[in-house]
Amino acid sequence: DAKTTQPPSMDCAEGRAANLPCNHSTISGNEYVYWYRQIHSQGPQYIIHGLKNNETNEMASLIITEDRKSSTLILPHATLRDTAVYYCIVREPSRMSAGNMLTFGGGTRLMVKP
Amino acid sequence: GAVVSQHPSWVICKSGTSVKIECRSLDFQATTMFWYRQFPKQSLMLMATSNEGSKATYEQGVEKDKFLINHASLTLSTLTVTSAHPEDSSFYICSATPLAGLSSYNEQFFGPGTRLTVL
Repeated sequence: DAKTTQPPSMDCAEGRAANLPCNHSTISGNEYVYWYRQIHSQGPQYIIHGLKNNETNEMASLIITEDRKSSTLILPHATLRDTAVYYCIVREPSRMSAGNMLTFGGGTRLMVKP
Repeated sequence: GAVVSQHPSWVICKSGTSVKIECRSLDFQATTMFWYRQFPKQSLMLMATSNEGSKATYEQGVEKDKFLINHASLTLSTLTVTSAHPEDSSFYICSATPLAGLSSYNEQFFGPGTRLTVL
């Protein structure tokens, strides 16, 4: 069962900010929001994660609404190399490593255009 | 970040043969690795959870006798596609989570994938 909803595709102009939304209205209190991306014919790459506070790293920023029912991944200055499928996943971290599988939904195919 | 490798990166085989895919964590140990399969233009689907020193746990609909998983050490898991058929052609991806203490948020690190084509 999908826990997240994302638009299937988005376009963004090179150099502009890319804002990728994700709806997770049924998220529970212990579940984190993770973002991964998959460039064509490669394995997924971890981007960022958060629980309730906004987060920023060298790749992106994650904005989580106060009610935690949705979030937005922001790539501040998109480049052509950011063209990929972006997956938003909610999951409760498990102390047992076997419980850490990820359930991928359809993701958003971001096309960065020159 | 932690690095996971897969070998081979691509393989073409004849129908009826078996193919082995290796997944290695290069700079960390992982008691658990995961195997995913991805068909063209689709998302990743979890096939099985590979547990070091014990049997793998397969997702519903995945044939354990066809997709043999061996997790012989804390840095190596292998997936063998036995008696491969054209419908097994897919992109196979593994991932691993470092042992507790190395990643407090249970990040998963993915391999680059192996593209299998069965003729």
